[in-house]
Amino acid sequence: GNSVTQMEGPVTLSEEAFLTINCTYTATGYPSLFWYVQYPGEGLQLLLKATKADDKGSNKGFEATYRKETTSFHLEKGSVQVSDSAVYFCALSRGSGGSNYKLTFGKGTLLTVNP
Amino acid sequence: NAGVTQTPKFQVLKTGQSMTLQCAQDMNHEYMSWYRQDPGMGLRLIHYSVGAGITDQGEVPNGYNVSRSTTEDFPLRLLSAAPSQTSVYFCASSSEAEAFFGQGTRLTVV
Repeated sequence: GNSVTQMEGPVTLSEEAFLTINCTYTATGYPSLFWYVQYPGEGLQLLLKATKADDKGSNKGFEATYRKETTSFHLEKGSVQVSDSAVYFCALSRGSGGSNYKLTFGKGTLLTVNP
Repeated sequence: NAGVTQTPKFQVLKTGQSMTLQCAQDMNHEYMSWYRQDPGMGLRLIHYSVGAGITDQGEVPNGYNVSRSTTEDFPLRLLSAAPSQTSVYFCASSSEAEAFFGQGTRLTVV
């Protein structure tokens, strides 16, 4: 079956540090890949996505590249801010484009950014 | 635009009680889903619906029932609550491009 493995947290960084959160997946076919962010007390929000191999998703300074050869979708940001403190989830859905209603999530990584 | 609205935000139940978690969306999406979020487990799919009158089981359906009589509403029913159902529950409404999540219902079963 499908599964997503992401790096264990928590991750604590100083403001302006470089961020990487690793994510690898197991799936049949060609899944779409997502990063969701959950701020304290809120629901999940889509941060970025990629629907086919070598696609790069980007948003708010965050980037992730769909690497089929390594089955990875690592999240990166060059300079984090205190406001980036949140829980980050890597997720996949089977099939390109659709199937956003049947997401498989990783366990989540708590990021804390200190001033 | 309200998006996805879940009620209640918090609930405490006694073992064996029943309740319904409400979810409503105003985006006219065909697809809706229920997830539970547990510490160290991420989110797991309970049930989903691809349109009014059509529902199916996800990864962890036991102990939960759903129905979809309208496009807007997708309630989740616990028939006989158990402590193992203590969790945060999220409803999602999906377009082809993106899933939109509600703010969650924190349920405690004692």
